[in-house]
Amino acid sequence: DAGITQSPRYKITETGRQVTLMCHQTWSHSYMFWYRQDLGHGLRLIYYSAAADITDKGEVPDGYVVSRSKTENFPLTLESATRSQTSVYFCASSEAGGVTEAFFGQGTRLTVV
Amino acid sequence: GENVEQHPSTLSVQEGDSAVIKCTYSDSASNYFPWYKQELGKGPQLIIDIRSNVGEKKDQRIAVTLNKTAKHFSLHITETQPEDSAVYFCAARKTDSWGKLQFGAGTQVVVTP
Repeated sequence: DAGITQSPRYKITETGRQVTLMCHQTWSHSYMFWYRQDLGHGLRLIYYSAAADITDKGEVPDGYVVSRSKTENFPLTLESATRSQTSVYFCASSEAGGVTEAFFGQGTRLTVV
Repeated sequence: GENVEQHPSTLSVQEGDSAVIKCTYSDSASNYFPWYKQELGKGPQLIIDIRSNVGEKKDQRIAVTLNKTAKHFSLHITETQPEDSAVYFCAARKTDSWGKLQFGAGTQVVVTP
């Protein structure tokens, strides 16, 4: 199916464990983004990517790592999960950076216990 | 960097009435202002957007207005229906920002029959 998909939809992990959230888009959009959503904060940018092998930090990057070896995939890794990383994570993509629409995935609810 | 403030945080309206959500932004270089609707358990979905060279845009029951001088923009929903109940986010973006969106904190809209 065309679109942007995230996996898993729900994840429970323990403090200190490494966990990877997956994001896949079928449009060949150049730009991809990871946001986290927390009550009272809206959506905050974690990392973004302008193309394969081009990534940069957003507003809240600490504790996260990204890679983009292929245009269609943009995985987000929590190297050593902490309780403060309990959140809903959204991946998004857009064709270009300027005034084009950003499309969001359905989100991954991550709980760190 | 850009800062987007959104008010109110919650809005309860009677079915058929109008709803207005207001956002202000800080960076005068921002030139793209989308509004997203997020239903429970889903990712944000674009409902309308406006570019800085336009003062108002309408799409059926929703409209967005932009005042560049005052650096604020508003979402107007007329003849509200129960299916308009959701969280609404405003956002702002600059052309040279690699597509990064700065979001407001969100408004929970509840339409009561």
